[in-house]
Amino acid sequence: EAGVAQSPRYKIIEKRQSVAFWCNPISGHATLYWYQQILGQGPKLLIQFQNNGVVDDSQLPKDRFSAERLKGVDSTLKIQPAKLEDSAVYLCASSEGQGNTEAFFGQGTRLTVV
Amino acid sequence: DAKTTQPPSMDCAEGRAANLPCNHSTISGNEYVYWYRQIHSQGPQYIIHGLKNNETNEMASLIITEDRKSSTLILPHATLRDTAVYYCIVRGHTGRRALTFGSGTRLQVQP
Repeated sequence: EAGVAQSPRYKIIEKRQSVAFWCNPISGHATLYWYQQILGQGPKLLIQFQNNGVVDDSQLPKDRFSAERLKGVDSTLKIQPAKLEDSAVYLCASSEGQGNTEAFFGQGTRLTVV
Repeated sequence: DAKTTQPPSMDCAEGRAANLPCNHSTISGNEYVYWYRQIHSQGPQYIIHGLKNNETNEMASLIITEDRKSSTLILPHATLRDTAVYYCIVRGHTGRRALTFGSGTRLQVQP
């Protein structure tokens, strides 16, 4: 089966610019996650969706980050305006549902803010 | 979810067993132990999970102590492709919460 698709793979922007990342989860997966991974650290959850509803966005910096999951399938994560400290890999993951099921991760988008 | 403690790094010779420890002394009765790994420039990959019994699959074995306060992930015959960061994660049975990653153990398999 096809895995979690993310684009772009790499993005370089200047601070204060805007950027958007796209994620297409595995078909039929109800739960979708966005993680931020700063170099040398483990991934940190930004937001979790169940279908098109938000389950957890407690660690999402809502003054500059936003995310949506239209029709409960694809998702977009946006940063506006970007700061230098937003430089990281942004990982999307999906799972069949909540509960103890395996989460599948995409390859991530590496963002560099200069 | 309970906190986990892992050594920051380990080395293993190719072809030998790699034993990666994890302490989770505050684990509660309904929390599972999960292991994921992350190969360089890739997203994390699920390896195995368990509650209290030892588990084995095609990738690895998971040994959980009787008091469930620690566990060991065993890669029986490590290869160079097993070089990665390995994350031990404790997660509640309801599974409503997402995986919470620590810093993991960086395993370097040596030729």
